[in-house]
Amino acid sequence: GAGVSQSPRYKVAKRGQDVALRCDPISGHVSLFWYQQALGQGPEFLTYFQNEAQLDKSGLPSDRFFAERPEGSVSTLKIQRTQQEDSAVYLCASSLGILVRNQPQHFGDGTRLSIL
Amino acid sequence: KQEVTQIPAALSVPEGENLVLNCSFTDSAIYNLQWFRQDPGKGLTSLLLIQSSQREQTSGRLNASLDKSSGRSTLYIAASQPGDSATYLCAVRAQGGSEKLVFGKGTKLTVNP
Repeated sequence: GAGVSQSPRYKVAKRGQDVALRCDPISGHVSLFWYQQALGQGPEFLTYFQNEAQLDKSGLPSDRFFAERPEGSVSTLKIQRTQQEDSAVYLCASSLGILVRNQPQHFGDGTRLSIL
Repeated sequence: KQEVTQIPAALSVPEGENLVLNCSFTDSAIYNLQWFRQDPGKGLTSLLLIQSSQREQTSGRLNASLDKSSGRSTLYIAASQPGDSATYLCAVRAQGGSEKLVFGKGTKLTVNP
């Protein structure tokens, strides 16, 4: 399909384990975003990239969270030494960004992370 | 710090009703405002995007308005259908460099047949 693809859809991990979440943005999209959505809440911004450059990581809750987009396409969000409060849905979005003004962000279906 | 509030948190209406969802934001220096729809277990689908210079946008039975100076937006849904049942989220992008969106908590809409 032509949409934003995230994998895995579901991830269960034990507290203390490391996890890696993958996002494939829409082809040609310059900007890529990660959001965290707790149950019953709106998404909260974590970080975003313009091509391979991480321009804003102000939303990352701790240094256990790390994101990369080394070639300006696929991105990985890594969480080290997971804790129960990390349980949430992690949403990835992409947009044309600086290529075209006022373009919407397109979201994937998310990865539901459960920490036991 | 920008804060976005959506009222009501939940709404249940009979099929065919026209309805209004409300969104307010604390900092009027926005670049644009987006309305999204989220179905259970799914990501967000963009419905309408209003640029800061615009007053409203329309798509089919949906109409979104923006009053930037008062920090308010409304989403109007005409002739509601059961398929409109979902959570509706409002998000603003601030002026300046970052493209990040700040979201409200959403309004959960149920349209009963």
